[in-house]
Amino acid sequence: GAVVSQHPSWVICKSGTSVKIECRSLDFQATTMFWYRQFPKQSLMLMATSNEGSKATYEQGVEKDKFLINHASLTLSTLTVTSAHPEDSSFYICSATSAARTTYEQYFGPGTRLTVT
Amino acid sequence: GQNIDQPTEMTATEGAIVQINCTYQTSGFNGLFWYQQHAGEAPTFLSYNVLDGLEEKGRFSSFLSRSKGYSYLLLKELQMKDSASYLCAVRDAGLTGGGNKLTFGTGTQLKVEL
Repeated sequence: GAVVSQHPSWVICKSGTSVKIECRSLDFQATTMFWYRQFPKQSLMLMATSNEGSKATYEQGVEKDKFLINHASLTLSTLTVTSAHPEDSSFYICSATSAARTTYEQYFGPGTRLTVT
Repeated sequence: GQNIDQPTEMTATEGAIVQINCTYQTSGFNGLFWYQQHAGEAPTFLSYNVLDGLEEKGRFSSFLSRSKGYSYLLLKELQMKDSASYLCAVRDAGLTGGGNKLTFGTGTQLKVEL
């Protein structure tokens, strides 16, 4: 139980284009979803927190107009990287928590590797 | 703010015991997690400590001292597959994300050798 999927697992896009990444909780309802970014050999950096049906809360230094987050349902959150540039190339990981389960544990998706050329 | 420190790299021998330390200075504290992450994969949950003391789970144990802002992860009977990055993460005491916001340390890359 508590499976989180991400799609796509990897994507290559050209500079200036937009890319959408999906995060789904497959067997539970995700009260809250988190989006992280991880550069090579670095730790996870929280980008934003989203609750179903409300606006995402972004961490300091993360541009909300560039990284659009939508959490339209209790099983789906999307991250759209708009006007992507090579410096946005990174490993993007989502996680989810559920009020119905152990509330403190975050269940992580497998990640999406974004390469911007 | 949150400041979490871990050694960058460690090397140990198969079958041995290794201790990975984590120190933290945080504005709020509501528990500490340890995660294992293999390259290119998502983190997997290892342990959670919210009270002082040692939590044992098979070959893995985790210790917490809240007064010292200190935790360690102990791995026994090391196996080659234990070569991975080990992430220490502090759970925020705030309300953002339902009180489940995590701040991760830099991670410790463990290499297990024969």
